[in-house]
Amino acid sequence: DAGVTQSPTHLIKTRGQQVTLRCSPKSGHDTVSWYQQALGQGPQFIFQYYEEEERQRGNFPDRFSGHQYPNYSSELNVNALLLGDSALYLCASSLELSGNTIYFGEGSWLTVV
Amino acid sequence: AQSVAQPEDQVNVAEGNPLTVKCTYSVSGNPYLFWYVQYPNRGLQFLLKYITGDNLVKGSYGFEAEFNKSQTSFHLKKPSALVSDSALYFCAVREKSFGSNYQLIWGAGTKLIIKP
Repeated sequence: DAGVTQSPTHLIKTRGQQVTLRCSPKSGHDTVSWYQQALGQGPQFIFQYYEEEERQRGNFPDRFSGHQYPNYSSELNVNALLLGDSALYLCASSLELSGNTIYFGEGSWLTVV
Repeated sequence: AQSVAQPEDQVNVAEGNPLTVKCTYSVSGNPYLFWYVQYPNRGLQFLLKYITGDNLVKGSYGFEAEFNKSQTSFHLKKPSALVSDSALYFCAVREKSFGSNYQLIWGAGTKLIIKP
């Protein structure tokens, strides 16, 4: 049973560039959430996707956008990268919107230089 | 306001001793409570959750947590600590946001250090 998988694991981008991070949910899960975790801090909720729609959003600017595909996989896009966007980006999946246990991937480390 | 507090930034325990990592919460209605662990440079791993029923919940790696409604606490415990338990621990509570959608509210994390 494959868990949550994310790609790439590490990447370096230049300020002002755009980045796309990818996530495949745990088998059988239909809801995907994205979190940003800065070094030494807890995860910050970015948004959640269900049925290919953004259903909830945290306090992040419009530079952060996402997509969910019919197979439940998801992408996180960040435009006009800032140095402060450097963080671990975590994808989490769950079944339904009821908030059942969410399972995390290993994350994508983004460094903006 | 919904919130989760982990009052200790760091907890130090000698190997073989019992450990407790504290968590208190504030939510409206009945809470759903979770503990996750994060090892260095890794994602978060689910340890255990409280939904309803027995106040003592058993989880992975020998951890357990006790739900105390009157004290609004959900402390994580283990009878005998291992050096390999050293990691960052996060408490989270499920908040009802809107409609049937829920969002997890996270504590700031507690660094657990187990010394040989």
